[in-house]
Order: sequence, then C-alpha cells, then structure tokens
Amino acid sequence: EVQLVQSGAEVKKPGESLQMSCMGSGYSLNSYWIGWVRQMPGKGLEWVAIISPADSDTRISPSFQGRVTISADMYTAYLHWIRLQASDTAMYYCAIRPAVTGSPLEYWGHGTLVTVSS
Amino acid sequence: QSALTQPRSVSGSPGQSVTISCTGTSSDVGRYNFVSWYQQHPGKAPKLIIYDVYKWPSGVPDRFSGSKSGNTASLTISGLQAEDEADYYCCAYAGTNIPYVFGTGTEVTVL
Repeated sequence: EVQLVQSGAEVKKPGESLQMSCMGSGYSLNSYWIGWVRQMPGKGLEWVAIISPADSDTRISPSFQGRVTISADMYTAYLHWIRLQASDTAMYYCAIRPAVTGSPLEYWGHGTLVTVSS
Repeated sequence: QSALTQPRSVSGSPGQSVTISCTGTSSDVGRYNFVSWYQQHPGKAPKLIIYDVYKWPSGVPDRFSGSKSGNTASLTISGLQAEDEADYYCCAYAGTNIPYVFGTGTEVTVL
C-alpha cells in the first residue's frame, strides 16, 4: 500500500525559512517522482515543485522560482521555503506520480498546514 | 502559465448527470492528451479520478467519465450520488518544465 506521511503543522513569522518533509513507502523508488501542491485557504490547487529521487532531476513552477528549493533523500522529499510571506499561509500537499511523461499525481499525502503570521 | 478555467459551481439531483468544463489553451489542454481530474471533499486531500483525458484509476466508478475537444476538457458525472458532492479540479500537462496546470475548481452540489 502506498503511503505518504507529511511533517506536522507549522507556525512561522514572515521572513523566516521553513522545511517540510514527505516520506513515502509502498512503491519503487525509481518509478515515481514526488511533488508538492499548495492550497491557500478557500482557494484552488497550485503546483509548486517536483523531484525525481532517483537522480534529483527537479522542476519548479515559475510562480515559486527563487522562493523554494526541493530535495530528496531516498523515499523522503523536502520542500524548503527561503523567506516566507503571509500569503504563503496554506495547506501543502505532497503527491507522487509515475516516472512517465505526462503522468498524473496518483497518490497524495494528508497535507501540512503552514501559518505565516507576525 | 494561467490556471485553466472551470465553472465555479454546478448542481444536479440524485441520478442526474452533470458536466464540468475545463478550458485551457493550445499549449496545454489542446496540445497533449494528459488531462487529469481530481475530487476533493472538504478537509481532505485531493483524489485522482480521471487521467490521460478518459482513463480511470483502479477503484474509481465508471460513473465518472472524461473527454476532450480542442482546448476544452470535460468531466461528466452520471447517476449523481450524494457522495459526489465535492470540489473538482482539472489539471493539464504543459510541457517538461510545467508538468501541472490546475483548473480553478468547480463545486458540485447534489440537490
């Protein structure tokens, strides 16, 4: 059974950095990429970034370029925010997709709630 | 890359069918047959229900069906059930560097 376990909720101040994690199990390391999706309160889904743990190939959405980095160590992926803003308050979901071009986000984690407030 | 356009809400009575449209551009929906749909119940993570325009993941009922014409994809829910009340998001591939462009989301209400 595929499982994605995300790190716990965070409360941060504007300007602070943050690293969240997503630990997967139940699938082959070389067969999936791990990505992140943001959902601001009451809003829709936005793709943030994605990484291949097998070779660390990464893609970051132009909307978040320069504000986040993504890394992975085996079955765990990390999303690092450089300088948080109040508008980064959101639920962040990790998800995995097969390592095939155009594949959908097949399995999702439960989400990490991030609150950024002074 | 702009979000794909979906109607804000649709509704139907139990047993009826509803269709949600998802309009993109010739760079995403119109260019690739990599359109997926996600169902999200309140307070829950999204769930994949359609991929590659019309394919079902294991365990998803065939009441959900997908199609595409030009720059617009569609999700049809047939035989609407109370449990189908949720938010639905389309998502399209727009190339190697932008693998996911989500739609604006549609709230489905079962009357």
